[in-house]
Amino acid sequence: DQQVKQNSPSLSVQEGRISILNCDYTNSMFDYFLWYKKYPAEGPTFLISISSIKDKNEDGRFTVFLNKSAKHLSLHIVPSQPGDSAVYFCAAFSGNTGKLIFGQGTTLQVKP
Amino acid sequence: DADVTQTPRNRITKTGKRIMLECSQTKGHDRMYWYRQDPGLGLRLIYYSFDVKDINKGEISDGYSVSRQAQAKFSLSLESAIPNQTALYFCATSDMTGENTGELFFGEGSRLTVL
Repeated sequence: DQQVKQNSPSLSVQEGRISILNCDYTNSMFDYFLWYKKYPAEGPTFLISISSIKDKNEDGRFTVFLNKSAKHLSLHIVPSQPGDSAVYFCAAFSGNTGKLIFGQGTTLQVKP
Repeated sequence: DADVTQTPRNRITKTGKRIMLECSQTKGHDRMYWYRQDPGLGLRLIYYSFDVKDINKGEISDGYSVSRQAQAKFSLSLESAIPNQTALYFCATSDMTGENTGELFFGEGSRLTVL
C-alpha cells in the first residue's frame, strides 16, 4: 500500500525549460514533504522540503508546491540544466513515528 | 572521507547464506536508518533506530535483523539470504533538525546480489 506515489517514471525536458515533477500522498498526518536527488552510484541527497503548514517553498531554481486538499506536491526546476539529470524521489515525514516514506522516483533527463 | 560509510559496497552471495551489511557514521547523529532500493519501487524502509536502545521495524522488516552496536554503528543482517533480497541497500542518518523534518544523510549504498 503505497503511501507516497510518483506516477511518472521518467521525464525529459529541454535545457532552459521548466521541469515539473509530481507526487501524491495518502496520509494527511505527514508533517514534512521532501525531495531527494540521486545520481548513479551515489546515495540520495536532500534537495528541498516543505512543512505541511506551508504551500510553497523556494530555493534558487527549485520550488516545491504543496496542495493539501489534493494531497499533491510538485517540484519545479527553472531553468533546467543538464546537471539536473538524475532520479528524483519524493518523500513524506511523520514526526510522530520518525519515519520517512519515499515514492518510486522519477528519472529526469535534461537535454542540451 | 564519507560521513556515512557502508561496507561492503558490492557483494554477491548464494541463497541461504548469512550476510551482514555494515554502516558507520562520523556525524555524531543519534538516528540511523536502513533502506533498500528496487527498480520501480523506490526506497523502502527496513529498520530504523533512534538511539542504541531504540530500534523499530520499518515497512519491510521480514527476513532482516539489525544491531545498533554503538551510536556510530548500525548493521543490517540477512540470516538466510534469498534472491528477492537482491537490491541496493542504503544506510542513512539524521541530526536534530532531521528528527523534526525528515532530512537524512545517506551513504553511497551496498549492492547485494543473491544467486
